Amino acid sequence: QKEVEQNSGPLSVPEGAIASLNCTYSDRGSQSFFWYRQYSGKSPELIMFIYSNGDKEDGRFTAQLNKASQYVSLLIRDSQPSDSATYLCALNTGNQFYFGTGTSLTVIP
Amino acid sequence: EAGVTQFPSHSVIEKGQTVTLRCDPISGHDNLYWYRRVMGKEIKFLLHFVKESKQDESGMPNNRFLAERTGGTYSTLKVQPAELEDSGVYFCASSLLTAPAYEQYFGPGTRLTVT
Repeated sequence: QKEVEQNSGPLSVPEGAIASLNCTYSDRGSQSFFWYRQYSGKSPELIMFIYSNGDKEDGRFTAQLNKASQYVSLLIRDSQPSDSATYLCALNTGNQFYFGTGTSLTVIP
Repeated sequence: EAGVTQFPSHSVIEKGQTVTLRCDPISGHDNLYWYRRVMGKEIKFLLHFVKESKQDESGMPNNRFLAERTGGTYSTLKVQPAELEDSGVYFCASSLLTAPAYEQYFGPGTRLTVT
């Protein structure tokens, strides 16, 4: 059973700060990693995916992957109140996704 | 283009009753997935259809759950008889047959409460 671990939070950061969300996983064979954002009562939406070790940047979002440490993170720069949501870490094996429980982020104006 | 839709958005039933959840994928999406999130737990995979065929149903919790996708369009997930532990949010997702794995589009979910 593949496991994805996330700190459930809640994580609070002031507007304009960097929010750092972390995730660890247990299956060394995992290849693909994803971050989803889920607003309350809404469907999860994909923010970032990363396959290779290192950093991947997309606008204010940076995903970081360290396969040796089995660690993946998401940095949100210049956090905005609209970033307040639950962030789900997931990994993919074939067509099956394994999700973490999510980290609740609140950006305080 | 319409997204993935799910019906109903909420359902409250008593233990022992039957409930049927429906998912309409994005038009043209042959891949259809069902997931469930029990309160406080992670979203868990239930099963995967390719068109009308069950590709992977390893996540189905037990034989009280029956998923169908007749004709390869919409899918239903029936729980019979429902138990208290079946309460949670049931998500459906769809993707194109040739799409990479991350291109799954999720529906808004059906919140099921079994009392």
